[in-house]
Amino acid sequence: EVQLVESGGGLVQPGGSLRLSCAASGFTFSSYAMSWVRQAPGKGLEWVSAISGSGGSTYYADSVKGRFTISRDNSKNTLYLQMNSLRAEDTAVYYCAKWGVYYYGSGSYEAFDIWGQGTMVTVSS
Amino acid sequence: DIQMTQSPSSLSASVGDRVTITCRASQSISSYLNWYQQKPGKAPKLLIYAASSLQSGVPSRFSGSGSGTDFTLTISSLQPEDFATYYCQQSYSTLPSFGQGTKLEIK
Repeated sequence: EVQLVESGGGLVQPGGSLRLSCAASGFTFSSYAMSWVRQAPGKGLEWVSAISGSGGSTYYADSVKGRFTISRDNSKNTLYLQMNSLRAEDTAVYYCAKWGVYYYGSGSYEAFDIWGQGTMVTVSS
Repeated sequence: DIQMTQSPSSLSASVGDRVTITCRASQSISSYLNWYQQKPGKAPKLLIYAASSLQSGVPSRFSGSGSGTDFTLTISSLQPEDFATYYCQQSYSTLPSFGQGTKLEIK
């Protein structure tokens, strides 16, 4: 079964750090780019960060650039998000998502086809 | 950055109704548009990719259309399990972005 399981969420004070993990199973992890997407309480989805299958390319939303670092260990089939200098506005459920590739017509298209259950991060004093 | 705008933000409808949700991109994104369904307390679920291709296992009452900047998600005959929040998302840019969501409620 294709599955993503996040862990590492919790309560942290403003300015603190937290490291999220996402364990993947059921697919060839190293073949796919992965992302983190978050959702603040009662709000919509916000893409946070992405990493290529090899780990050689990383991308960040402006809201987290310079504070968050995405990484992966393909030998452990695990995705990470290191979050530093946390702010109240980082409070959210954090989902990891597989960036699937679909071939349709003459092109290739990407979409978040597999999601984890999410892990809650609360930044509060 | 590419901004995605959905309308309406919320919608009340009845079982059996035909419903259409619109998504507009701030620049042309060709057909690099996906739709997701999210139920309370659950992760989003991919419904449609490439603007009009149905993800495996998704009922055929869901359909998508559009290209360039304007897209629609249509549910042909609402079922009780379809009441949820729907998001569009562009995959044209290396920095993906979502619409703000459309909450579909029971009338």
